[in-house]
Amino acid sequence: SQKIEQNSEALNIQEGKTATLTCNYTNYSPAYLQWYRQDPGRGPVFLLLIRENEKEKRKERLKVTFDTTLKQSLFHITASQPADSATYLCALRKRAGNTPLVFGKGTRLSVIA
Amino acid sequence: DTAVSQTPKYLVTQMGNDKSIKCEQNLGHDTMYWYKQDSKKFLKIMFSYNNKELIINETVPNRFSPKSPDKAHLNLHINSLELGDSAVYFCASSLHPQETQYFGPGTRLLVL
Repeated sequence: SQKIEQNSEALNIQEGKTATLTCNYTNYSPAYLQWYRQDPGRGPVFLLLIRENEKEKRKERLKVTFDTTLKQSLFHITASQPADSATYLCALRKRAGNTPLVFGKGTRLSVIA
Repeated sequence: DTAVSQTPKYLVTQMGNDKSIKCEQNLGHDTMYWYKQDSKKFLKIMFSYNNKELIINETVPNRFSPKSPDKAHLNLHINSLELGDSAVYFCASSLHPQETQYFGPGTRLLVL
């Protein structure tokens, strides 16, 4: 069966460290993968998109990698700050047609000062 | 200047009632979506409309009926509400079906 797994339900790290979140998938051939941030009581906010033929994408302190052999994406936040505390969702879209975006359950990140 | 807005923000109702949630986007997007986020925080697509036409309908009970009067609006009507319908419902929009999605603030539905 098709699955998207974000391995950690919760992750606590010290301010200033790099946070690394994992997204694994099985039985999908994604055209691309996205990462969203969701704060309590709010809707998800798009952060980054990485396509199947891309290895790495960066945006300010954020970095996403995509390994289609391992079927895994890693999401890094460098020099983390308490304001980065939120739930981070990965989502992938399959290649063909009008297919929906499928979300993982999310990882709740807490950055401790 | 809210991009994607939903009303109401909170909805508490009795089992068996019929209710509607409204969504509007002022981004000029062609595509709109309804998602359900349950108590386990899974965000799951329900419907998607492109230029007022239904393009995605994911095994949702017939009690749920979306309506898109124009490209900027996608409303969700729910008949005969059940306890299991309690969740947060998010509306989203994107320029085209494959583009990045922008989410509304959510409607928290509680069925008693």
